[in-house]
Amino acid sequence: DGGITQSPKYLFRKEGQNVTLSCEQNLNHDAMYWYRQDPGQGLRLIYYSQIVNDFQKGDIAEGYSVSREKKESFPLTVTSAQKNPTAFYLCASSPSRVALYNEQFFGPGTRLTVL
Amino acid sequence: RKEVEQDPGPFNVPEGATVAFNCTYSNSASQSFFWYRQDCRKEPKLLMSVYSSGNEDGRFTAQLNRASQYISLLIRDSKLSDSATYLCVVYRGSQGNLIFGKGTKLSVKP
Repeated sequence: DGGITQSPKYLFRKEGQNVTLSCEQNLNHDAMYWYRQDPGQGLRLIYYSQIVNDFQKGDIAEGYSVSREKKESFPLTVTSAQKNPTAFYLCASSPSRVALYNEQFFGPGTRLTVL
Repeated sequence: RKEVEQDPGPFNVPEGATVAFNCTYSNSASQSFFWYRQDCRKEPKLLMSVYSSGNEDGRFTAQLNRASQYISLLIRDSKLSDSATYLCVVYRGSQGNLIFGKGTKLSVKP
């Protein structure tokens, strides 16, 4: 089955720790995205990548880092510099780099809680 | 003004009702528009794209008014399974970025 997987589903972290969220897709999509969603808020773009070995900052990149070494993988690291990391993190992908009419497909998300 | 604005609701309607959601966007250069559905604690899923001429998919009708910069979603004959949050989404530009509204919550009651 083609799709996007994210792991873990729930993650608890102590303050001051870095943590890496996994995102894998087997849809052969070029573009991948990371969003965060807070209660009652819209999704906000953290980082996106339109091609392997290249990525761009989104609207709220501070305190986060990413890599795109393989087409199918786009891990997100939440660093200790992120002031308020508790949120629902969603990874998405779309078929091509120019998304005029492209649907973005989402993974099931990771709920991160900082204790 | 926020890029994409929606009435947060909640809209509480009985089964069989017709309900309409509106969404306004601020960037007149926005090129494409979508409605996504998000169930509680789940990921968003595309409900339908919105085309300039308006489009219909079963009980769902989407319309776009570029002059007034708003998008609408009409749901006819509401079902219990329509209960969800509906996200208005606007394509920002050449970087492939989507801008998401905060969503409108719909609750369909028996």
